[in-house]
Amino acid sequence: AQSVTQPDIHITVSEGASLELRCNYSYGATPYLFWYVQSPGQGLQLLLKYFSGDTLVQGIKGFEAEFKRSQSSFNLRKPSVHWSDAAEYFCAVGVSGGYNKLIFGAGTRLAVHP
Amino acid sequence: SAVISQKPSRDICQRGTSLTIQCQVDSQVTMMFWYRQQPGQSLTLIATANQGSEATYESGFVIDKFPISRPNLTFSTLTVSNMSPEDSSIYLCSVVQGNVYEQYFGPGTRLTVT
Repeated sequence: AQSVTQPDIHITVSEGASLELRCNYSYGATPYLFWYVQSPGQGLQLLLKYFSGDTLVQGIKGFEAEFKRSQSSFNLRKPSVHWSDAAEYFCAVGVSGGYNKLIFGAGTRLAVHP
Repeated sequence: SAVISQKPSRDICQRGTSLTIQCQVDSQVTMMFWYRQQPGQSLTLIATANQGSEATYESGFVIDKFPISRPNLTFSTLTVSNMSPEDSSIYLCSVVQGNVYEQYFGPGTRLTVT
């Protein structure tokens, strides 16, 4: 069955430090992969997406993610975290069926220390 | 991307009553979805709202509890019927733009049932 695993429930980093959020997926076909961010009290904002081509994709707010087929991973990275990056981050995979839909991971809550 | 609004943004309701949530998009879209996000949890797809036909519900969700309307390509409603405290959640609508899996989310409706 299709699934998305985000192993880290909570992560705390210091402002200015680098960040990597892990995401592993299980899907038999070519995956369409997404990272979303949800700030407190807000809806979800699309950070970046991978459909095909270059396995390193750039997104908004200085984020990037790398697709590694051999590891079934799509980890999110940022070289220097800002306090405003504190939020919940969700990885998702697009799956086909009767209707094309997204399956979300459980999310990783990021806290940023000043 | 499309601008998506939801009404109400939040509500506190009594057990046994119903609440209708509206989702309005500023452009025509083919696919609209409704999600539930229980406290501290990830997103769970409730149903796909189909224009001109009945919604397609995910396992565990039924039309009697979550009736959905989609009268045109820019508007949809989700009703949470006969509410109980377990229905306390954030309800989000989303639309597809671009790639068939690429979804954009509304700001959400925070529902508390007492």
